[in-house]
Amino acid sequence: DIQMTQSPSSLSASVGDRVTITCRASQSISSYLNWYQQKPGKAPKLLIYAASSLQSGVPSRFSGSGSGTDFTLTISSLQPEDFATYYCQQSYSRPIFGPGTKVDIK
Amino acid sequence: EVQLVESGGGLVQPGGSLRLSCAASGFTFSSYEMNWVRQAPGKGLEWVSYISSSGSTIYYADSVKGRFTISRDNAKNSLYLQMNSLRAEDTAVYYCARDGPTSGGLDYWGQGTLVTVSS
Repeated sequence: DIQMTQSPSSLSASVGDRVTITCRASQSISSYLNWYQQKPGKAPKLLIYAASSLQSGVPSRFSGSGSGTDFTLTISSLQPEDFATYYCQQSYSRPIFGPGTKVDIK
Repeated sequence: EVQLVESGGGLVQPGGSLRLSCAASGFTFSSYEMNWVRQAPGKGLEWVSYISSSGSTIYYADSVKGRFTISRDNAKNSLYLQMNSLRAEDTAVYYCARDGPTSGGLDYWGQGTLVTVSS
C-alpha cells in the first residue's frame, strides 16, 4: 500500500506569512495528489486537485506543486480564516490521506 | 446547490450493527462515484469505502473489509453503509463524499454522522 507522510505535523505562523506544507508518497503517484483544509467540527474542504489545480471557489493564495513522490501546498499570505488542519490525499490507488498538518496562530 | 446529508449514526454496543444513509441533492447522483470517509475523535481522515456510479465496482479499506457493505440507490439519490460486527475502533464521524468529475479529489462532503461503539 502507498503510504503518505506530511511535514511538519504542526506549525505556528502569523497573518501574512508564507506557509509551505510538504507531502511525500512512498512510491510514485504521478500527479494524483489532492489537498484538503479542515476546521474543527467541520467536514474537509477540497483545495487543490491533481497536485496543482485550484478547486473552484478556493482563493488564489493557495497553490500546489509537485509530481511523483514529493508535493507541496503553499499559502502565499496566511489569512485568519486559514488556521486549520491540512491533509494531502493520494488518488493514484485506493485513497490514502496523510496524517495532517495543523496550522495555528503564532 | 450540491448537498450531502448523512444520517443513521448513534451509540451501538460492540458486535452490533448500524446502517448509515447519505441523501444527495443538487446534482445527478447516478453519474458520480461516491465514498465513505471516517475520522476517529481527535484523529486524521481514513477512507472507508468506494462505490462506482452504477454500483458495479466497490472497494473497501482492509480495516472494514468483510464487516461493512456499501451500496447505493440511484432512484432514491441515496448512498448507504451497512456496518456489522462493530468494534470500539470504528468509533468515528462518518462522512459521505463525492468523487470530483475529473481529478480523484473528493469535491463535496456531508456534515458527518457520529458513530460511537461502546458498552
